[in-house]
Formats: sequence, structure tokens, C-alpha cells
Amino acid sequence: GAVVSQHPSWVICKSGTSVKIECRSLDFQATTMFWYRQFPKQSLMLMATSNEGSKATYEQGVEKDKFLINHASLTLSTLTVTSAHPEDSSFYICSARRDRGFGTNEKLFFGSGTQLSVL
Amino acid sequence: SQQGEEDPQALSIQEGENATMNCSYKTSINNLQWYRQNSGRGLVHLILIRSNEREKHSGRLRVTLDTSKKSSSLLITASRAADTASYFCATDAIAGNQFYFGTGTSLTVIP
Repeated sequence: GAVVSQHPSWVICKSGTSVKIECRSLDFQATTMFWYRQFPKQSLMLMATSNEGSKATYEQGVEKDKFLINHASLTLSTLTVTSAHPEDSSFYICSARRDRGFGTNEKLFFGSGTQLSVL
Repeated sequence: SQQGEEDPQALSIQEGENATMNCSYKTSINNLQWYRQNSGRGLVHLILIRSNEREKHSGRLRVTLDTSKKSSSLLITASRAADTASYFCATDAIAGNQFYFGTGTSLTVIP
């Protein structure tokens, strides 16, 4: 149990286009999901905390208009990279905090990540 | 980093030896967790220690937590080649609903 599906796993796009990444909790509800960005051989940088039914909370230095987050249901959060540029190329990982009633909510469950390459 | 530092950044040991990695963090926490990442993949949860706990064991893993020093350590005993991966500590902060990762330790276990 406690599976998080992230899609797509790999995307290549042209500069200027927008890319949407989905993060789904398959067998539990998650009011809170997190979006991270990871550069090669570096740690995960928290970009934003996604809350179902309310606006996402962005970390300092993360452009909210650039990285649009929509958490429209208790099982789905999406990250849209708008007008992508080569410097947006990175590995993006989502994680979900399981709501109480579905088991412990202390640990996070991670998607398998999305490698974005912007040409 | 957003929350803390880990050391060493990289560690290379022989199979069978023990591996110790340390994590320091900045804010008050509910719990601290250790995760493992094989290159370019998602993260796997290893062990969680709550702020009122000092030590915890799980199989070959032993984690300690010192909240007065805001630090934790992860010990992997009798290492195996399959333990080769990056290891990250992560903190569940009390203030706000954020979950930050340390800088990570890259562990290589030589067969």
C-alpha cells in the first residue's frame, strides 16, 4: 500500500512550452503533497507545499507564476512548469503525506520522479 | 541547504564495514527521518525517529537523535554492496507543514 504515482517519468520539450507533471496517491488520501527539485548529485530542494483546496505555499526564491501547482483533489496534485527554459531542466519529485485514517502520516511517500529536459 | 547539512558528503568503505553518516538541522522538529535514493530514482523511507526518542534500531540500521545539538546519525552495520546509494536525512518541522532534506551522503560499498 501507500503508492504514489508520478507521471511522466521523462519529458523532453522545446523552450517556451509548458509541461505538466502529475502526482497521484493511489491508495490513500493526501491533503498535503510536496514538490521537490533535484540537480545531479545534489539534495532535494523543497519548492512548494501543495494543500488540497487552498493555495500552495512556495519556498523563498521559487517563482509561483513559473511553477504552477494545483491540488484539486485529495489524491492528485499537479506541477506545471510554464514557459520552460533550459535552466528548468531538472529532476522533479513529488511526495505525499498520508491523511490520518489511512495509517501513520509521519513519513512521506515518494513518486519515482520526472526528468525534465528543455531544449 | 534549506534545513541542514550532512557529513561526510561521500563515503567509501569495504563490504562488511560499518558506515556512519551525520545530519545536522536548524529548526525544532516533530521527527527526523532517513531516506535512501538509488541514482536518479525516487526515495525509499528507511527509519523514523521522533523528537522524544534518542535511539532507534531497524535491522542493520541504527539512528540516534540529539535534539539539544540538533543532530542525528545513521549507522549501517555490516555493509553490503547493495547498500551503495545516497542517503538523506529529512526533518518534519514543527512550525509550518514543511519537510526538508539534508545535503546527503553518497555511500559506496566496495565488494
